[in-house]
Amino acid sequence: GEDVEQSLFLSVREGDSSVINCTYTDSSSTYLYWYKQEPGAGLQLLTYIFSNMDMKQDQRLTVLLNKKDKHLSLRIADTQTGDSAIYFCAARRDSSYKLIFGSGTRLLVRP
Amino acid sequence: NAGVTQTPKFQVLKTGQSMTLQCAQDMNHNSMYWYRQDPGMGLRLIYYSASEGTTDKGEVPNGYNVSRLNKREFSLRLESAAPSQTSVYFCASTAGLYGYTFGSGTRLTVV
Repeated sequence: GEDVEQSLFLSVREGDSSVINCTYTDSSSTYLYWYKQEPGAGLQLLTYIFSNMDMKQDQRLTVLLNKKDKHLSLRIADTQTGDSAIYFCAARRDSSYKLIFGSGTRLLVRP
Repeated sequence: NAGVTQTPKFQVLKTGQSMTLQCAQDMNHNSMYWYRQDPGMGLRLIYYSASEGTTDKGEVPNGYNVSRLNKREFSLRLESAAPSQTSVYFCASTAGLYGYTFGSGTRLTVV
């Protein structure tokens, strides 16, 4: 079945860019998502990208998709302390109702 | 703008007790989901309901049952709670491809 993997931890300085990486195994994954989870809260959808796209930009967020390598990244420009959270990558097949999550990357932003 | 509402927010059970976690959405979404979140393991799908009247098992259904009561409500039942079911439970719903909307979670401890 589908497997989604992420590195567990990333630490950056405030004002720098953060890049969070994700790999997935199922080449049939058509829809890919990034979610943010703040402490004690649920998951908030940040952005998504469809497999017919290579890049999507939304304000400080840039998503890059490399379908050949099955690699997804989330870049946060000018990272702020409020960006400290856990970021989840998730993938979904065209024919499936199921969303498969990675284990999450904890982003720590240092002042 | 309630979105997805989960009750209760916190619960402590003794081993062997039963309980039902409630979830309701007011966005007229067709599909609803139950996930559990454990440290270092991301979110794992327990059960889902693609549409009213249907339910299907996810990755970790053992020890759980679900009911899609109507289009708005999707409940998760633990018949005989075990310490391994200590977790944070999230309900989510979606109308299509543009990501899921999550509730704020139920923190369950089984002692």
